[in-house]
Amino acid sequence: TQLLEQSPQFLSIQEGENLTVYCNSSSVFSSLQWYRQEPGEGPVLLVTVVTGGEVKKLKRLTFQFGDARKDSSLHITAAQPGDTGLYLCAGVNTNAGKSTFGDGTTLTVKP
Amino acid sequence: DAGVTQSPTHLIKTRGQHVTLRCSPISGHKSVSWYQQVLGQGPQFIFQYYEKEERGRGNFPDRFSARQFPNYSSELNVNALLLGDSALYLCASSRGQGGNQPQHFGDGTRLSIL
Repeated sequence: TQLLEQSPQFLSIQEGENLTVYCNSSSVFSSLQWYRQEPGEGPVLLVTVVTGGEVKKLKRLTFQFGDARKDSSLHITAAQPGDTGLYLCAGVNTNAGKSTFGDGTTLTVKP
Repeated sequence: DAGVTQSPTHLIKTRGQHVTLRCSPISGHKSVSWYQQVLGQGPQFIFQYYEKEERGRGNFPDRFSARQFPNYSSELNVNALLLGDSALYLCASSRGQGGNQPQHFGDGTRLSIL
């Protein structure tokens, strides 16, 4: 069974601070996706990383895929209250036809 | 264009009953996947359907079944409901079957079992 562990489970910071959340696995994935989910809504895809060592930037968000394609990180610069939400990572194995999700990091950014 | 739509949004059932949840994918998307999200956890994969055939199945009992229709909409059926089936059921659609295809999620059906 492939498992994804996300840390920290909860994170509460002040507006303007930087943060990093992590997604780790003992398994190799074809790609890894990051989602953000707000209460009462479904997850929304932020980014897909495919190549080991890949770094993608989305405005103030920086995503990195580990060289061995087993882990990933999400770094947010100058967090804003609008960044509040549940951040989920999902490992994808193309042949398995499914995504394996971690349990997420709940981020609260206080104004 | 409309996103993924799920119905109903909320549902209350009692133990032993059965339930049918519905999902309409984004126009042009042929793949539908179902996930169960228990409070405080990430989504757990239940099924993937592509071109009306089951292409993936997660670790769920046979009480869970699904199907996809010619218009690519899908239904998830759960029989003999248990208290532990209380969860948010999410549907996601994508253009193709490949795991790297971006998945677009609906807002889910909140199922409560009394």
